[in-house]
Formats: sequence, structure tokens, C-alpha cells
Amino acid sequence: DIQMTQSPSSLSASVGDRVTITCRASQSISSYLNWYQQKPGKAPKFLIYAASSLQSGGPSRFSGSGSGTDFTLTISSLQPEDFATYYCQQSYSTPYTFGQGTKLEI
Amino acid sequence: QVQLVESGGGLVKPGGSLRLSCAASGFTFSDYDMSWIRQAPGKGLEWVSSISFSGSTIYYADSVKGRFTISRDNTKNLLFLQMNSLRAEDTAFYFCARDTSTWPHWGQGTLVTVSS
Repeated sequence: DIQMTQSPSSLSASVGDRVTITCRASQSISSYLNWYQQKPGKAPKFLIYAASSLQSGGPSRFSGSGSGTDFTLTISSLQPEDFATYYCQQSYSTPYTFGQGTKLEI
Repeated sequence: QVQLVESGGGLVKPGGSLRLSCAASGFTFSDYDMSWIRQAPGKGLEWVSSISFSGSTIYYADSVKGRFTISRDNTKNLLFLQMNSLRAEDTAFYFCARDTSTWPHWGQGTLVTVSS
């Protein structure tokens, strides 16, 4: 199975900050990497697919990069609604696995 | 717009069974693969199972293989997850999602609690 490791597990930041979350795969997954945002009591929301493609309608302050084993999610200027938990997920092979999550807090 | 609505969750004893349903609308259900993903309370996300648009190809996580069965009824736009031999560690919110490995659309989830 492909293990996905996110860092940090939690992050304190302020409105307007630039934030980067890292995701590492245990083997190469090319660009088969997605990012989701989840708020308490809600289903995950799809943010970025294929490592760097922004989901239609997604805010442009979100961007993704990377390929192979190392990936990043960047929020260029944090907004109040961005405080949530973020998950990376590999879609390269079954079992499709998620990172453990990064909780972004004020 | 795409809507996915899960139902069938509840409290069940260890060793018991439960059948989850997911009602789909807003898209041509028979054109899309579907998946189940779960999340234990306060924990991370775990992919459970996926089924192709025709039902001919099915994948399971090792943690549920042999105990859970995914199926679909394309005439009624319904996705199912039959869960047998339930264990305490199966306690989770169960989400249905559209597509096999990348999930742009999710339901709101249904809670399954396995406890004596």
C-alpha cells in the first residue's frame, strides 16, 4: 500500500498569512494526487486534482504543486473560511489512501 | 446539481449487519463509477470500496474485504453497501462519493456505530 504522510499535523496561522502543507508518498505516484478541505461536521470538499489543477469554482488562492513523491498545497493569503483540516489523497493505485490530515487553526 | 444522500446508518451490535444506501440525483448515475469512504469520529479518511458504472469491476480495502459488499441499481439511481460481521473498528461516518479514485462530489454521510 502507498503511505501518504502530511506535515505538519497542525498549524497555527493568521488571516492573510501564506501557508504551505506538505504531502509525501511512500513511492512515486506521478501526479495522481488530490487535496480536500474538511470542516467539522461536513463532508470533505474537493480542492485540487492531478497535483496542481484547481477544481472548477475553487478560490485562486489555493494552489498545488509537485510530482513523484513530494507535493505541496499552498494558500497564498489565508481567509477566515480557510480554517479547516486538509487531506491529501493518492489516486494512483488501490487502496486509495489519504494523508493523516493537517488541521489549520487560528 | 449533483446530490448524494446516504441512509441506513445506526447502532448495531458486533457481528451484526447493516445495509447502507446512497440515492443519487443531478447526473446520469449509470455513467459514473461510485465509491464509499469512511471516517471514524475524530479520525482521518479511509477509502472503503469502489464500483464501476456497470457494476462489473469492484475494489475493496483489505480491512473490509470478505465482509462488505458494494452494489448498485442503475434503474433506481441507488448505490449500496452491505456490511456484515461488523466490528467496533467499523464505527464511522460512511460517505458515498462519485467516481472511482478522485471524488469531487460527496454525500453528507451516515453514521454507523458498532457497540454492544
